[in-house]
Amino acid sequence: AQSVAQPEDQVNVAEGNPLTVKCTYSVSGNPYLFWYVQYPNRGLQFLLKYITGDNLVKGSYGFEAEFNKSQTSFHLKKPSALVSDSALYFCAVRGYILTGGGNKLTFGTGTQLKVEL
Amino acid sequence: EAGVTQSPTHLIKTRGQQATLRCSPISGHTSVYWYQQALGLGLQFLLWYDEGEERNRGNFPPRFSGRQFPNYSSELNVNALELEDSALYLCASSLMKGLYNEQFFGPGTRLTVL
Repeated sequence: AQSVAQPEDQVNVAEGNPLTVKCTYSVSGNPYLFWYVQYPNRGLQFLLKYITGDNLVKGSYGFEAEFNKSQTSFHLKKPSALVSDSALYFCAVRGYILTGGGNKLTFGTGTQLKVEL
Repeated sequence: EAGVTQSPTHLIKTRGQQATLRCSPISGHTSVYWYQQALGLGLQFLLWYDEGEERNRGNFPPRFSGRQFPNYSSELNVNALELEDSALYLCASSLMKGLYNEQFFGPGTRLTVL
């Protein structure tokens, strides 16, 4: 079975400072990892994904994520946070079809990011 | 390019009734997924349809069902509604070709069961 853990319910950052939102995963086989963001009363917006290749993945809105296989982590980062980045962030892992993962996304519980002036 | 659309935006039902939620995927996407986002339970996978067939199902009772139409749009039906079915229901779509394509989400339908 696959699972995702986001250990922090909330992360507070001052605008202009770097931010990190943590995610660890558990999956059989190769991990296919995603980050999504949800603004109030909206659906999820795709930020970035890791399939294979470089451990540092760049995504939308200046976000990037670092894949670390030995630590089974996929932390989301941004060098300089903006107030408009305040939202709910979800890490997700995708099951591998051939091992029964069925193409579904398994999400973490979400981390509320609050960026203050 | 139009994104994933869902209707209605809000739906209010009473316990025991049936609810029907609709989803139109991004043009060219053949796979549709349904997720439930309930307070305190996070995002839970419900159903996956591709090319008109149900491909995978989450850990939900049989009163949650759906279908996918020839134009790839999809319907989620919830029978015998219970109070705990109150949630935001999110639909997503993706290209099936290329196994690792991301899923794109619609704005959701907020279902309230009274």
